[in-house]
Amino acid sequence: SAVISQKPSRDICQRGTSLTIQCQVDSQVTMMFWYRQQPGQSLTLIATANQGSEATYESGFVIDKFPISRPNLTFSTLTVSNMSPEDSSIYLCSVALLLPDTQYFGPGTRLTVL
Amino acid sequence: TQLLEQSPQFLSIQEGENLTVYCNSSSVFSSLQWYRQEPGEGPVLLVTVVTGGEVKKLKRLTFQFGDARKDSSLHITAAQPGDTGLYLCAGLQKAAGNKLTFGGGTRVLVKP
Repeated sequence: SAVISQKPSRDICQRGTSLTIQCQVDSQVTMMFWYRQQPGQSLTLIATANQGSEATYESGFVIDKFPISRPNLTFSTLTVSNMSPEDSSIYLCSVALLLPDTQYFGPGTRLTVL
Repeated sequence: TQLLEQSPQFLSIQEGENLTVYCNSSSVFSSLQWYRQEPGEGPVLLVTVVTGGEVKKLKRLTFQFGDARKDSSLHITAAQPGDTGLYLCAGLQKAAGNKLTFGGGTRVLVKP
């Protein structure tokens, strides 16, 4: 398994501002993912964070709104840009060690936008 | 319409009762996972099933993958308050780029 930490664990932000969420893994991993979990909902994949290249975004998510960095095999950041109240969610990073169907999740970042 | 439909959405039972959560789709998955998520935490992987008809047991939890690999169920025997949480199924489709698709989740409350 992998131990994953996220910073911050929660934040309250004003609309129009941006927040960068960090995800740190205790070992090198090939696959890292970012998910959004809206209140009372399930998980929706935002993008796959690729080391050394641009992230791969899912339908409905764009780089300008959710820029992602992956400078090495243990770290990634997700920025939520120009926030609105609709961005209030839990943002989760996950990693897969060998196969994409075995994913380990971080504790999540609970974001509230006022 | 979600690719993976979970039912029921919410389940409230007394300690000691049994419960079953269903995860259904019209699509075939190469594997299917079940996760449990508690408030303030990320989902924790419970099991992965990969073979049609497969049954896996994890103490009081029994997981079944349908013969056609389109559906799955999670059965909990003699539920305990510690089983309370959000149960999520997730399927992997290699043809869809090896990404996990999550069901809508089933919120389980086990009352003492």
